[in-house]
Amino acid sequence: QVQLQESGPGLVKPSETLSLTCTVSGGSISSYYWSWIRQPPGKGLEWIGYIYYSGSTNYNPSLKSRVTISVDTSKNQFSLKLSSVTAADTAVYYCARDIRPTRAYWYFDLWGRGTLVTVSS
Amino acid sequence: SSELTQDPAVSVALGQTVRITCQGDSLRSYYASWYQQKPGQAPVLVIYGKNNRPSGIPDRFSGSSSGNTASLTITGAQAEDEADYYCNSRDSSGNSWVFGGGTKLTVL
Repeated sequence: QVQLQESGPGLVKPSETLSLTCTVSGGSISSYYWSWIRQPPGKGLEWIGYIYYSGSTNYNPSLKSRVTISVDTSKNQFSLKLSSVTAADTAVYYCARDIRPTRAYWYFDLWGRGTLVTVSS
Repeated sequence: SSELTQDPAVSVALGQTVRITCQGDSLRSYYASWYQQKPGQAPVLVIYGKNNRPSGIPDRFSGSSSGNTASLTITGAQAEDEADYYCNSRDSSGNSWVFGGGTKLTVL
């Protein structure tokens, strides 16, 4: 079955760039949308942005100026870069598959296990 | 952008029925999806669309919607249903996602 796995540094210094990769295994990255979602410790979920396998993107307006999401279909991976991080960016970061069967509803059917990224000097 | 509002906490007696609600303007146009999250685990989809359950989700979970409010109902709550529940949907612009703040469900 399709599985998602996040990878990347668990510790990032303030003002630097957070970089994470999500590897899709057991299926193709093609023909789907893929999202990054984060969850600060003890808090709720926040959508960061999505990418279509073709490369089109859309980002949360509150993070748009600092976020870049890219895709590498040859490696079945998509990636997140978040620049100028602060302690407020400390969170568990999840990647998820984004399903859009109709205009009336979308949903996330598969999630990675998540990876904790701490922003600290 | 739009917001989705959930009650922070709800409790239910074992075996009873509980409804968890989610309110927001975007829900007048789009259905919510619902996710269950247990401590230390990733969220799991439990309801999507009008009232659809992924494979493996018990039929005691159901969804409904009216106006600007979406509801997740658990009929005959079990101890293993104790978790945080999040709703989400397309936002009012239709281009992005929005999550509710989550509801912590306690099964007494």
